[in-house]
Amino acid sequence: DTGVSQDPRHKITKRGQNVTFRCDPISEHNRLYWYRQTLGQGPEFLTYFQNEAQLEKSRLLSDRFSAERPKGSFSTLEIQRTEQGDSAMYLCASSQQGAPGGYTFGSGTRLTVV
Amino acid sequence: AQSVTQLGSHVSVSEGALVLLRCNYSSSVPPYLFWYVQYPNQGLQLLLKYTTGATLVKGINGFEAEFKKSETSFHLTKPSAHMSDAAEYFCAVSETGTASKLTFGTGTRLQVTL
Repeated sequence: DTGVSQDPRHKITKRGQNVTFRCDPISEHNRLYWYRQTLGQGPEFLTYFQNEAQLEKSRLLSDRFSAERPKGSFSTLEIQRTEQGDSAMYLCASSQQGAPGGYTFGSGTRLTVV
Repeated sequence: AQSVTQLGSHVSVSEGALVLLRCNYSSSVPPYLFWYVQYPNQGLQLLLKYTTGATLVKGINGFEAEFKKSETSFHLTKPSAHMSDAAEYFCAVSETGTASKLTFGTGTRLQVTL
């Protein structure tokens, strides 16, 4: 098992453009989480999936943000009409339901909006 | 609702000195508690976790933490700091049961000096 993979590692985009990030969880994990981390802060929860169902969304997740996990495997996070305030590290994690505390994080995607 | 408070955004210790990073939590149900370490431009690495059982938890790299329910605390310690311990440390809480997202503190940056 190669752990949680995130792609790309870095993304620089112009304000107003759309971006999409991908997360591949550990294959046997049925839960997948997205977090956002800004400089000097702890990760903030955005959303999570159990299999293909999106079970919870944070109020931080504005209408410009959408996440999918179509087949219950990999997930994508799309940001439309990016703003400078979207610049952050986007972290993905996965876990297995019923395995308390078994979260594994990916290395993150660093987004810079210029 | 759950929350985490980390006292001290920056802690500086001499190499070989005791490391103590403080974490207090709030949770309406019995918590699971975690400490993660983050090196620059990297994801989160689990140091240790408390789910059930023994309240003194040992983790990687010589770190340990003690769950004190009466004090709602989960402080991280290491008897002797090493230069390689310099990093950002995050305390996190999740609720037992089905609501399993992690809520993080704002982090403590540990500096180790010669």
